Amino acid sequence: DSGVTQTPKHLITATGQRVTLRCSPRSGDLSVYWYQQSLDQGLQFLIQYYNGEERAKGNILERFSAQQFPDLHSELNLSSLELGDSALYFCASSVLFSGGVQYFGPGTRLTVT
Amino acid sequence: GQNIDQPTEMTATEGAIVQINCTYQTSGFNGLFWYQQHAGEAPTFLSYNVLDGLEEKGRFSSFLSRSKGYSYLLLKELQMKDSASYLCAVSSNSGGYQKVTFGTGTKLQVIP
Repeated sequence: DSGVTQTPKHLITATGQRVTLRCSPRSGDLSVYWYQQSLDQGLQFLIQYYNGEERAKGNILERFSAQQFPDLHSELNLSSLELGDSALYFCASSVLFSGGVQYFGPGTRLTVT
Repeated sequence: GQNIDQPTEMTATEGAIVQINCTYQTSGFNGLFWYQQHAGEAPTFLSYNVLDGLEEKGRFSSFLSRSKGYSYLLLKELQMKDSASYLCAVSSNSGGYQKVTFGTGTKLQVIP
């Protein structure tokens, strides 16, 4: 158990819908990273927050957005969902502003039908 | 930009030794991570190399050559539970920010 929690574990929704994925980092970690992993694909970095502020952006679509709240939990919002958005979404946390070991949550498996 | 190369798949026999290679090209390199990921599960941290040389941790060892842009993960006394993907991730400094980029991973199958 990494200490990072993610909810929900599974999510099934229809095209065009909007969903919110939630992540709580390990105690003491200020950085939260979001990744997308499609079937048999590598981890694609989406976005990072540090202590409530956006710090880095990767290949995140405009339909996706995220935020980190004062209690350090983070939410990833996915809207106008398409079939291709079906994937595992991982959250990871780290104590550092950038770099360092990342501890991953169990992931949310999103299926868009 | 960054370029990380790992073999896509490997097969090895239970009890044997396997070496998974990773080559990278990046500017501002400052470290390399290895993670293990079982199918459908979260990646878990295995090792971190900053300096050249071998880091040993039980059955797993990781080697780094910064001048060659090369690393390997060595798994000894393979067990069936070692069947997983192994991700190489490179940390590089970009304007004061340490960016970590993951490779696509090597899927290792351990057979009896």
